[in-house]
Amino acid sequence: DQQVKQNSPSLSVQEGRISILNCDYTNSMFDYFLWYKKYPAEGPTFLISISSIKDKNEDGRFTVFLNKSAKHLSLHIVPSQPGDSAVYFCAAKGGSEKLVFGKGTKLTVNP
Amino acid sequence: NAGVMQNPRHLVRRRGQEARLRCSPMKGHSHVYWYRQLPEEGLKFMVYLQKENIIDESGMPKERFSAEFPKEGPSILRIQQVVRGDSAAYFCASSRIIGGNEQFFGPGTRLTVL
Repeated sequence: DQQVKQNSPSLSVQEGRISILNCDYTNSMFDYFLWYKKYPAEGPTFLISISSIKDKNEDGRFTVFLNKSAKHLSLHIVPSQPGDSAVYFCAAKGGSEKLVFGKGTKLTVNP
Repeated sequence: NAGVMQNPRHLVRRRGQEARLRCSPMKGHSHVYWYRQLPEEGLKFMVYLQKENIIDESGMPKERFSAEFPKEGPSILRIQQVVRGDSAAYFCASSRIIGGNEQFFGPGTRLTVL
């Protein structure tokens, strides 16, 4: 029973364009959402988060949007850079401290 | 300002041996979490500890796995009598206080069981 779903295993975009990574969740108890970036053979690096009381949070080139009614969130990266190429994980928590992760989306930014 | 530290980075064990994975949280962090990542999968929660206390072990397999976070020293994830299915990347994370929503991850220990 996958509570956090990232339905696109991979995404390829051109440098300078927008990258949009999507995430859906099923558990209504989730009230905090995070995005992590992961390079091979390294641990996940925290990128940006959003509380369920907000619908948008922005940090530099990264913006996360939350649509609670649709149980959907997305990460926008503008402009995309080759160094952004990595696997991006969506994670959620609610009612406990444990994070529930999606399976990840591999982003490739082509020069 | 050192981040979360894990060692060893790579560990090879034969079936039936014991594996011990260590994690030192970030300075000022008193909450430790262990996650496991199988190939082509996301990270799966295993256990959440504070100093000398296991708070949530709902993700821990019922047998062979144990975790501790003593008053002094690193947190230890211990796997007894390893099997090939235990081969995975094991990540430790830490956070500052309860309700500190961001967890910061270490580089992981890659366990290979021959």
